[in-house]
This record gives sequence, C-alpha cells and structure tokens, in this order.
Amino acid sequence: GAVVSQHPSRVICKSGTSVKIECRSLDFQATTMFWYRQFPKQSLMLMATSNEGSKATYEQGVEKDKFLINHASLTLSTLTVTSAHPEDSSFYICSASPGRGTREQYFGPGTRLTVT
Amino acid sequence: LAKTTQPISMDSYEGQEVNITCSHNNIATNDYITWYQQFPSQGPRFIIQGYKTKVTNEVASLFIPADRKSSTLSLPRVSLSDTAVYYCLVGGEMYTDKLIFGTGTRLQVFP
Repeated sequence: GAVVSQHPSRVICKSGTSVKIECRSLDFQATTMFWYRQFPKQSLMLMATSNEGSKATYEQGVEKDKFLINHASLTLSTLTVTSAHPEDSSFYICSASPGRGTREQYFGPGTRLTVT
Repeated sequence: LAKTTQPISMDSYEGQEVNITCSHNNIATNDYITWYQQFPSQGPRFIIQGYKTKVTNEVASLFIPADRKSSTLSLPRVSLSDTAVYYCLVGGEMYTDKLIFGTGTRLQVFP
C-alpha cells in the first residue's frame, strides 16, 4: 500500500525557536496533503490542507503565521512551527491520498514535538 | 461535513466479537463511511470503508443500514493487539476531501 513518512519522528526544541516537520509520500504523488495535531488522550484535530503549488488552507483558529506550510513538490509538504512555545508541544500527523481511484487517506507515523 | 457520534470506550476479552456503532444522522448522499484504527503515538491506519449494506475484508466487517444514518464496525475474535482507538469518519467522496475526526472509541481488550 501507499506509504507516507514523516521526519523527524520526535524533536525537542527550546521555547522561541522554530521547528520544521517533513511529510513525504514515498510511492505516490499527492497534490493535497493534510496536517493534524493531536494532544494526549484526544482526537486528531485538522490544522490545514496543504495544496501543491498554492497556499495552504487553514482551519478556523489555526494561526497561519505560526504554522507555516509549504507544499513545494508532489511528494513533500513541510510544517514549520515558528517561535514555538510549550503549548505547541503535541503530536503532529500528516496524511495524503494517492488520488483518483481511491478515497483512502494514508497517514504518516507522526512527529512528537516537545517544546521546553 | 457530517458529525459522528461513537461510544467513548468499550471493553472486551480476547476471542470475542466486538461491534462498535457510529451515528451519523446528517450523512450526505455522496458521503462514504470510513473507519480508522490508531495505536498510541502512531498515525491512524485505514481499516475499512463502505457506502451501503455490508463490506467485509480480512480484518473487519462494516454494516450500514439502508438509511445510512449509522454504521457498525465488527471485529471478529479480537486479540490483545486490537486494543486501540477506532475512529468513524464520513465524507471523502473525493480523495482531496478533508477528514474531520470525532472522539473515537477506545477499545480495551483483556486477556
């Protein structure tokens, strides 16, 4: 099946610094990818839709200037958490679909961000 | 996007059949019903998807009544490794559709 990877799997950073998380579709091209955030014992919350070659679409309440999304190619989307604070500590997950012929979303393994 | 309602948690024992029901009263004509499984600190994994009646694959069955306002995920003979959170989602007619996750059902399987 289709594989989505994320890098890094976990990262610890100091408050005020920026962190970049990569999401790659390894064996298919994805014009659209999605970014989610998940706090402990809670469900996934959709943050934004990443569109290749265009601006991301952010969900209500998600600060686009804080969570920068770049979808520069059909296999790579990046999420940059700028000026991270402890409350940004969370599990970040991306997903993508191979496209036509399937309605299935494939999820990455997630990235655990800890801001100290 | 249709909202879904599931039980927050369920307990079962190894070898039993587990049925998790999801309500989606406002499902649209073009919506599909999809179930995902998530283990701690991992991304969700696709289990099964259907539109109506019954769908079966190697790991689960999905039962959808004619009015499609609910669906039931059936896991035959669960094992300890089936302990996870199960999410029911509706929508996704297009592969570019965003998915909105509900609370999910936390299934705990005991020996």
